[in-house]
Amino acid sequence: QQQVKQSPQSLIVQKGGIPIINCAYENTAFDYFPWYQQFPGKGPALLIAIRPDVSEKKEGRFTISFNKSAKQFSLHIMDSQPGDSATYFCAASSKGAQKLVFGQGTRLTINP
Amino acid sequence: KAGVTQTPRYLIKTRGQQVTLSCSPISGHRSVSWYQQTPGQGLQFLFEYFSETQRNKGNFPGRFSGRQFSNSRSEMNVSTLELGDSALYLCASSLTAGDYGYTFGSGTRLTVV
Repeated sequence: QQQVKQSPQSLIVQKGGIPIINCAYENTAFDYFPWYQQFPGKGPALLIAIRPDVSEKKEGRFTISFNKSAKQFSLHIMDSQPGDSATYFCAASSKGAQKLVFGQGTRLTINP
Repeated sequence: KAGVTQTPRYLIKTRGQQVTLSCSPISGHRSVSWYQQTPGQGLQFLFEYFSETQRNKGNFPGRFSGRQFSNSRSEMNVSTLELGDSALYLCASSLTAGDYGYTFGSGTRLTVV
Protein backbone atom coordinates (compact mmCIF):
# COMPACT_ATOMS: atom_id res chain seq x y z
CA GLN A 1 0.00 0.00 0.00
CA GLN A 2 2.98 2.28 0.51
CA GLN A 3 4.36 1.64 -2.97
CA VAL A 4 4.50 4.00 -5.90
CA LYS A 5 4.95 2.24 -9.24
CA GLN A 6 6.72 4.20 -11.97
CA SER A 7 7.05 3.48 -15.67
CA PRO A 8 8.85 3.26 -17.98
CA GLN A 9 12.27 2.46 -16.47
CA SER A 10 13.97 4.19 -19.38
CA LEU A 11 12.84 6.43 -22.21
CA ILE A 12 14.54 7.87 -25.27
CA VAL A 13 12.94 10.83 -27.04
CA GLN A 14 14.06 13.12 -29.85
CA LYS A 15 14.63 16.78 -29.08
CA GLY A 16 11.34 18.65 -29.18
CA GLY A 17 9.30 15.56 -28.35
CA ILE A 18 7.07 15.17 -25.29
CA PRO A 19 8.27 12.44 -22.93
CA ILE A 20 5.60 11.14 -20.58
CA ILE A 21 6.41 9.33 -17.33
CA ASN A 22 3.66 7.60 -15.40
CA CYS A 23 3.16 6.71 -11.75
CA ALA A 24 0.47 4.76 -9.92
CA TYR A 25 -0.26 4.44 -6.22
CA GLU A 26 -2.56 2.42 -3.97
CA ASN A 27 -2.72 4.41 -0.75
CA THR A 28 -5.66 6.80 -0.99
CA ALA A 29 -4.30 8.73 2.01
CA PHE A 30 -1.48 10.13 -0.13
CA ASP A 31 -2.07 13.85 -0.55
CA TYR A 32 1.17 15.26 -1.97
CA PHE A 33 2.77 14.14 -5.23
CA PRO A 34 6.13 15.68 -6.18
CA TRP A 35 8.44 14.96 -9.09
CA TYR A 36 12.20 15.09 -8.71
CA GLN A 37 14.95 15.37 -11.32
CA GLN A 38 18.38 13.90 -10.64
CA PHE A 39 21.57 14.43 -12.64
CA PRO A 40 24.58 12.12 -12.18
CA GLY A 41 26.56 13.01 -9.09
CA LYS A 42 23.82 15.23 -7.70
CA GLY A 43 20.94 14.80 -5.30
CA PRO A 44 17.34 14.86 -6.56
CA ALA A 45 15.93 18.35 -7.17
CA LEU A 46 12.26 19.17 -6.74
CA LEU A 47 10.70 19.97 -10.13
CA ILE A 48 7.00 20.32 -9.55
CA ALA A 49 4.39 18.98 -7.15
CA ILE A 50 0.63 18.57 -7.07
CA ARG A 51 -2.09 17.91 -4.52
CA PRO A 52 -5.18 15.81 -5.34
CA ASP A 53 -7.59 18.76 -5.42
CA VAL A 54 -6.36 19.73 -8.92
CA SER A 55 -6.11 17.64 -12.10
CA GLU A 56 -3.24 19.47 -13.77
CA LYS A 57 -0.38 21.77 -12.86
CA LYS A 58 2.10 23.46 -15.17
CA GLU A 59 5.44 25.03 -14.36
CA GLY A 60 7.36 26.13 -17.42
CA ARG A 61 7.78 23.15 -19.72
CA PHE A 62 6.80 20.64 -17.02
CA THR A 63 3.21 19.52 -16.50
CA ILE A 64 1.74 17.09 -13.97
CA SER A 65 -1.55 15.41 -14.85
CA PHE A 66 -3.40 13.83 -11.94
CA ASN A 67 -6.22 11.29 -12.09
CA LYS A 68 -7.55 10.76 -8.58
CA SER A 69 -10.09 8.05 -9.49
CA ALA A 70 -7.46 5.99 -11.30
CA LYS A 71 -4.83 6.74 -8.64
CA GLN A 72 -2.36 7.74 -11.31
CA PHE A 73 -0.29 10.80 -12.11
CA SER A 74 2.13 11.62 -14.88
CA LEU A 75 4.84 14.06 -15.83
CA HIS A 76 4.96 15.60 -19.31
CA ILE A 77 7.93 17.58 -20.57
CA MET A 78 7.09 19.95 -23.41
CA ASP A 79 9.65 20.84 -26.08
CA SER A 80 12.20 18.50 -24.50
CA GLN A 81 15.88 19.42 -24.73
CA PRO A 82 19.10 17.38 -24.40
CA GLY A 83 19.66 19.18 -21.06
CA ASP A 84 16.53 17.45 -19.73
CA SER A 85 18.35 14.12 -19.91
CA ALA A 86 18.31 12.90 -16.31
CA THR A 87 16.62 10.42 -14.01
CA TYR A 88 13.14 11.41 -12.92
CA PHE A 89 11.43 10.19 -9.75
CA CYS A 90 7.82 10.47 -8.76
CA ALA A 91 6.94 10.35 -5.08
CA ALA A 92 4.00 10.51 -2.73
CA SER A 93 3.40 11.32 0.89
CA SER A 94 0.72 11.81 3.47
CA LYS A 95 0.63 13.25 6.97
CA GLY A 96 0.36 9.73 8.30
CA ALA A 97 3.30 8.45 6.28
CA GLN A 98 5.67 11.16 7.58
CA LYS A 99 8.01 10.48 4.67
CA LEU A 100 8.21 10.46 0.89
CA VAL A 101 7.68 7.17 -0.90
CA PHE A 102 9.55 7.20 -4.21
CA GLY A 103 8.98 5.43 -7.49
CA GLN A 104 11.86 3.46 -8.96
CA GLY A 105 12.89 6.20 -11.36
CA THR A 106 12.93 6.74 -15.12
CA ARG A 107 16.15 7.35 -16.98
CA LEU A 108 15.28 9.87 -19.69
CA THR A 109 17.52 10.53 -22.68
CA ILE A 110 16.75 13.36 -25.09
CA ASN A 111 18.63 12.92 -28.36
CA PRO A 112 19.69 16.07 -30.25
CA LYS B 1 21.66 31.02 -0.31
CA ALA B 2 23.69 27.93 0.54
CA GLY B 3 22.10 24.58 -0.19
CA VAL B 4 22.15 21.41 1.84
CA THR B 5 25.74 20.46 2.59
CA GLN B 6 26.76 16.87 3.10
CA THR B 7 30.20 15.75 4.17
CA PRO B 8 32.17 13.87 3.22
CA ARG B 9 31.26 13.40 -0.45
CA TYR B 10 32.97 10.02 -0.71
CA LEU B 11 33.93 7.37 1.83
CA ILE B 12 35.51 3.96 1.58
CA LYS B 13 35.21 1.77 4.66
CA THR B 14 35.94 -1.83 5.53
CA ARG B 15 33.30 -4.33 6.62
CA GLY B 16 32.75 -4.18 10.35
CA GLN B 17 33.79 -0.56 10.72
CA GLN B 18 31.43 2.27 11.60
CA VAL B 19 30.84 5.53 9.80
CA THR B 20 29.34 8.94 10.58
CA LEU B 21 27.88 11.16 7.89
CA SER B 22 27.10 14.83 8.37
CA CYS B 23 24.40 17.10 7.00
CA SER B 24 23.97 20.87 7.31
CA PRO B 25 20.48 21.95 6.21
CA ILE B 26 19.57 25.16 4.46
CA SER B 27 19.60 28.07 6.91
CA GLY B 28 16.21 28.31 8.58
CA HIS B 29 15.21 24.74 7.72
CA ARG B 30 14.49 22.78 10.86
CA SER B 31 13.53 19.39 9.47
CA VAL B 32 16.15 16.95 8.19
CA SER B 33 15.45 13.60 6.57
CA TRP B 34 17.84 10.92 5.39
CA TYR B 35 17.42 8.55 2.44
CA GLN B 36 19.49 5.69 1.11
CA GLN B 37 19.76 5.39 -2.68
CA THR B 38 20.85 2.17 -4.38
CA PRO B 39 20.37 0.93 -7.96
CA GLY B 40 18.33 -2.04 -6.77
CA GLN B 41 16.12 -0.53 -4.07
CA GLY B 42 15.92 3.08 -5.26
CA LEU B 43 15.34 5.78 -2.67
CA GLN B 44 14.51 4.38 0.76
CA PHE B 45 13.58 6.49 3.78
CA LEU B 46 15.89 6.22 6.79
CA PHE B 47 14.81 8.86 9.35
CA GLU B 48 13.27 12.27 9.84
CA TYR B 49 14.36 14.71 12.54
CA PHE B 50 12.72 17.90 13.74
CA SER B 51 13.69 19.94 16.77
CA GLU B 52 16.30 17.36 17.76
CA THR B 53 13.64 14.61 17.88
CA GLN B 54 13.31 11.63 15.59
CA ARG B 55 9.80 11.78 14.15
CA ASN B 56 9.90 8.70 12.00
CA LYS B 57 12.23 5.83 11.16
CA GLY B 58 12.29 3.65 8.08
CA ASN B 59 12.62 -0.09 7.88
CA PHE B 60 16.35 -0.36 8.51
CA PRO B 61 18.23 -2.35 11.14
CA GLY B 62 19.28 -0.79 14.43
CA ARG B 63 22.83 -0.39 13.06
CA PHE B 64 21.51 2.75 11.40
CA SER B 65 21.05 5.65 13.77
CA GLY B 66 20.97 9.40 13.66
CA ARG B 67 20.63 12.56 15.62
CA GLN B 68 19.95 16.23 15.19
CA PHE B 69 21.61 19.09 17.00
CA SER B 70 20.14 22.34 18.29
CA ASN B 71 21.40 24.18 15.17
CA SER B 72 19.42 21.68 13.01
CA ARG B 73 22.58 20.00 11.70
CA SER B 74 22.22 16.24 11.59
CA GLU B 75 24.43 13.21 11.61
CA MET B 76 23.74 9.61 10.78
CA ASN B 77 25.81 6.69 11.94
CA VAL B 78 26.09 3.18 10.58
CA SER B 79 27.81 0.64 12.79
CA THR B 80 29.22 -2.78 11.88
CA LEU B 81 29.21 -1.96 8.19
CA GLU B 82 28.13 -4.63 5.70
CA LEU B 83 28.84 -4.79 1.96
CA GLY B 84 25.15 -4.11 1.32
CA ASP B 85 25.41 -0.73 3.03
CA SER B 86 27.26 0.60 0.00
CA ALA B 87 24.99 3.34 -1.29
CA LEU B 88 24.48 7.03 -1.83
CA TYR B 89 23.19 8.55 1.40
CA LEU B 90 21.10 11.63 0.82
CA CYS B 91 20.11 14.27 3.31
CA ALA B 92 17.08 16.46 2.65
CA SER B 93 15.97 19.55 4.51
CA SER B 94 12.68 21.38 4.70
CA LEU B 95 11.28 24.27 6.67
CA THR B 96 9.29 22.26 9.13
CA ALA B 97 8.07 18.78 9.98
CA GLY B 98 5.56 17.47 7.49
CA ASP B 99 6.89 19.66 4.68
CA TYR B 100 7.92 17.16 1.99
CA GLY B 101 9.01 19.69 -0.61
CA TYR B 102 12.55 18.66 0.21
CA THR B 103 15.82 20.18 -0.86
CA PHE B 104 18.35 17.39 -1.16
CA GLY B 105 22.08 17.57 -0.74
CA SER B 106 24.43 15.95 -3.24
CA GLY B 107 24.87 12.97 -0.98
CA THR B 108 27.68 10.94 0.51
CA ARG B 109 28.79 7.98 -1.59
CA LEU B 110 29.71 5.18 0.84
CA THR B 111 31.59 2.15 -0.44
CA VAL B 112 32.08 -0.79 1.91
CA VAL B 113 34.85 -3.20 0.93
